[in-house]
This record gives sequence, C-alpha cells and structure tokens, in this order.
Amino acid sequence: GQNIDQPTEMTATEGAIVQINCTYQTSGFNGLFWYQQHAGEAPTFLSYNVLDGLEEKGRFSSFLSRSKGYSYLLLKELQMKDSASYLCAVKDSNYQLIWGAGTKLIIKP
Amino acid sequence: DTGVSQDPRHKITKRGQNVTFRCDPISEHNRLYWYRQTLGQGPEFLTYFQNEAQLEKSRLLSDRFSAERPKGSFSTLEIQRTEQGDSAMYLCASSPLPGTGDSGANVLTFGAGSRLTVL
Repeated sequence: GQNIDQPTEMTATEGAIVQINCTYQTSGFNGLFWYQQHAGEAPTFLSYNVLDGLEEKGRFSSFLSRSKGYSYLLLKELQMKDSASYLCAVKDSNYQLIWGAGTKLIIKP
Repeated sequence: DTGVSQDPRHKITKRGQNVTFRCDPISEHNRLYWYRQTLGQGPEFLTYFQNEAQLEKSRLLSDRFSAERPKGSFSTLEIQRTEQGDSAMYLCASSPLPGTGDSGANVLTFGAGSRLTVL
C-alpha cells in the first residue's frame, strides 16, 4: 500500500527553528508537496520538490531525498502565526496526490 | 479572481437527508478536485474533473455520492441519504493542466471548505 508518515504533533518556541519530517512509500514518485493548514481553513501551498536537494523560500525550506523516501520542512524564526498543521503529500505514478495526516505545530511564546 | 469559492460553508442536516455543495474554481483552471477531510487527517480524494469530464472517482466513494461539472466551470457534490459517518469537511480544489505554470508542479488551490454535520 501507499503510506505517508509524519509526526502527529510538535511543539516549538517563538523565534526558534523546527524541522518537520515526512517519509513516504508510494507507487512511483512525481513530486512532493508541503501545505500549511490553519484550523478550520483550507490548505495553502508552501513548497514543491521533485529533485533531490533543498528548496528555500524565505523562512521556509523543504528538502527531498528520493532514494530515502524522505523529506523535511524547515521553519526558521518561528512566529506565533506559524501555529498550524503541515501536510506532506506525494504525487504517485498515476499523478494522484497521496496525503499524510498532517503535523500539528504548536508555537509557544 | 477571488480564488476557489465553496458554498455553503456550514451545513447541518438530519440523517437520511440529501445535501449539495457547490464549488466555483479559479476561472483559468481546467481541473477541479473534491476531497473529504476529517479532524486530524489529511484530505481524502473523492473525485476530479478535467473540464466537464469526470476522469477519476475514488473506489472508496459510495454510490450515494455524485459530482457534476456540467459546463466545465462550477461543480456540485451531492450526498444522498446522508449518514453520520459523512460528517466531515468537504474541500474543493482547482489546478491548471499539468505542465502549465508552476514549473509543472500542478499546484492545487483549495477553497475554504464546506463543513457537513449529520445529526
């Protein structure tokens, strides 16, 4: 079967750095996405990786290793508004998105 | 363009009733998706359209669920004879065709969702 694993919940301090990991086993790979979802709101796109390496976008960076079936989302200079769920999703060989259950990130002052 | 719009935002109904949700995608987007999401879970794929054609439907979707996109613009999702297990957030998303824009990422833009509560 296809599977996306990410931690259920993480806690971090305002101003710090946090890394949210995602491991996947899917039938084929056509890209990995990270989305942010605030409680009661729609998911919003953060990043896309299709090749190995690090993609940086402001305070957020995303890393991919296809050989390890692994990605992480790195959030720097954490702000209270970063409290949200972070969803990892992989596009499989049929170009269907397989979603993880999300990681709820709690930021403490 | 105001993004993806969904209506209603909230719906409370009694078991056995029918409900219909509407989604207006971003106008330039050819693809439209329906997902269901429950608390603490990621979105679960239901179905998607390319223009007016329904190209895929989840095997998990019972025959009580039907979706249409008659003119290739807005879409409706109907649930007949609702059950308590249907209570969830129903998310609509749209995207351009693969290979157009966003370096081929085919990023989905989601609407705010329609929250269904079945009593």
